[in-house]
Amino acid sequence: AQSVTQPDIHITVSEGASLELRCNYSYGATPYLFWYVQSPGQGLQLLLKYFSGDTLVQGIKGFEAEFKRSQSSFNLRKPSVHWSDAAEYFCAVGPMDRDDKIIFGKGTRLHILP
Amino acid sequence: GAGVSQTPSNKVTEKGKYVELRCDPISGHTALYWYRQSLGQGPEFLIYFQGTGAADDSGLPNDRFFAVRPEGSVSTLKIQRTERGDSAVYLCASSSLGGTGELFFGEGSRLTVL
Repeated sequence: AQSVTQPDIHITVSEGASLELRCNYSYGATPYLFWYVQSPGQGLQLLLKYFSGDTLVQGIKGFEAEFKRSQSSFNLRKPSVHWSDAAEYFCAVGPMDRDDKIIFGKGTRLHILP
Repeated sequence: GAGVSQTPSNKVTEKGKYVELRCDPISGHTALYWYRQSLGQGPEFLIYFQGTGAADDSGLPNDRFFAVRPEGSVSTLKIQRTERGDSAVYLCASSSLGGTGELFFGEGSRLTVL
């Protein structure tokens, strides 16, 4: 069965430091992969997505993610975080070969130290 | 409208009552999803519509939950005989490309069952 694992429930980094949020998936074939962000009191917003091609994808707000097929991973990175990046981040996976549901991981809450 | 609209934004009800939650997707979006998000958890898939039909309702937890989308636009999630465990934020999302495209989320309907 398809699943998404985000092993870190909470992560705390200092403002200006680099960030990596981990995501592993289990899927029968190469999936579509997404990262969403949820800020307090706001709806989920797409940061970036991977469908095919270059395995390093760029998103909004300076985020990027790298698809590694051999590791079934799609980790999210940012070279230098800002206080406004404090939020909950969700990795999600959907099927590539047909319309079907998109499922989400449990999320990683990012805290930023001043 | 410009985005996905969900009403009510907050609903407090008593155990055993019937509840309806409404989702108005982005105009022209053929795919519509319902998710449930409990505190500290990721969005949990409930049901996915492609047009008027439920393409996948495997996430509905039991037969107290039902959703309709009679004209392929607005959708209503119906919960009968509510239980305290149904308390959560119910999220609706729409997409123009089914499971392969970006999901646009509403801000959710927070349901509290007393």
